[in-house]
Amino acid sequence: DIQMTQSPSSLSASVGDRVTITCRASQGISNYLAWFQQKSGKAPKSLIYAASTLQSGVPSKFSGSGSGTDFTLTINNLQPEDFATYYCQQYNSYPFTFGGGTKVEIK
Amino acid sequence: EVLLVESGGGLVKPGGSLRLSCAASGFTFSSYSMKWVRQAPGKGLEWVSSTSPSSSYIYYADSVKGRFTISRDNAQNSLYLQMNSLRAEDTAVYYCARIDHGGNSDFWGQGTLVSVSS
Repeated sequence: DIQMTQSPSSLSASVGDRVTITCRASQGISNYLAWFQQKSGKAPKSLIYAASTLQSGVPSKFSGSGSGTDFTLTINNLQPEDFATYYCQQYNSYPFTFGGGTKVEIK
Repeated sequence: EVLLVESGGGLVKPGGSLRLSCAASGFTFSSYSMKWVRQAPGKGLEWVSSTSPSSSYIYYADSVKGRFTISRDNAQNSLYLQMNSLRAEDTAVYYCARIDHGGNSDFWGQGTLVSVSS
């Protein structure tokens, strides 16, 4: 099984900050990597797929990069509505696996 | 508008069974793979099972293999998860999600809570 390691597990940031979350796969997954945002008590929401393609309707402040084993999610100009938990997931091969999540909190 | 609505969750004793349903609307259900993902209280997301559009290809996580069965009724635009021999560690919110043609899960339901306790 492919293990997905996300870091950091949590971070504190201020409104207006730029934050970067990383996700590392235990083996190459090409660009079959998605990022999801989950707010407390809500379902996950698709942000980015194919490592760097923005899901329709997602603001351009979110961006993704990477290929192979190392990936990043960047959020520019952090706003109150962006404070949430973010997950990466590989869909290169079954079993699909998620990273452990990164909780973005207000400083 | 794509809509996925889960139902069927509830409280069940260890060893019991439960059947979850996911009603889909707003898209051609029979053209899409679907999956179930769960989230234990305070924990991260765990993929559970996926099915191809015609159910030709079905996959399960090792943690549920042999106990859970995914199925779908394309005529009824519905996805199901039959859960048998339930354990305390199966307690979670269960989400159904659509898998787009590139493999990404683009739409998710709101989830249904399954609690396994005596």
